[in-house]
Amino acid sequence: AAGVIQSPRHLIKEKRETATLKCYPIPRHDTVYWYQQGPGQDPQFLISFYEKMQSDKGSIPDRFSAQQFSDYHSELNMSSLELGDSALYFCASSLGTRRIVGSTDTQYFGPGTRLTVL
Amino acid sequence: TQLLEQSPQFLSIQEGENLTVYCNSSSVFSSLQWYRQEPGEGPVLLVTVVTGGEVKKLKRLTFQFGDARKDSSLHITAAQPGDTGLYLCAGVENAGNMLTFGGGTRLMVKP
Repeated sequence: AAGVIQSPRHLIKEKRETATLKCYPIPRHDTVYWYQQGPGQDPQFLISFYEKMQSDKGSIPDRFSAQQFSDYHSELNMSSLELGDSALYFCASSLGTRRIVGSTDTQYFGPGTRLTVL
Repeated sequence: TQLLEQSPQFLSIQEGENLTVYCNSSSVFSSLQWYRQEPGEGPVLLVTVVTGGEVKKLKRLTFQFGDARKDSSLHITAAQPGDTGLYLCAGVENAGNMLTFGGGTRLMVKP
């Protein structure tokens, strides 16, 4: 079965540079979530999109932005990178949201992008 | 304070033993998911529980959702070295659809 695809898998950037992470959800999934996981920490929710509209916002820095496109893929744009941005970034997708009757909110995670800021 | 707390954080047992991991909260969740995560990889879904009191079995793994939908447990019977890994519980609150994770339980099963 097709899974969530993330690219790139690894990314090395210098401080103050920009980075773009891409996420391709499971086919027919219309909701995308972004999470950041630091070393030894839980994934922390950043932002989510449902049907190309932002649906929830978590602890996403103002330096980051994201969007979901008409084909449901999503991109996380990160600017003015800091050393503390080094982490694993996961994208997850689900079919519908809790707002839809019958949805179980089950989120399927991609393999992640490891961002290292030097 | 963490919204969702998992215990124990670390568990080291011998092959063949049974174990239970707990996930507790003071909040009500519309659903709760259990994942297993390997180092450097994404969490892999094990199960989703939705209904209070629900019990789901996945081979030697038994998942239970509390009647009030505030807590859950994962019980592994006759643990094997292949069960070694990080187990994460994550809940979806009624107010939103993002996942809140419980801190994780790092399990090691020794042969």
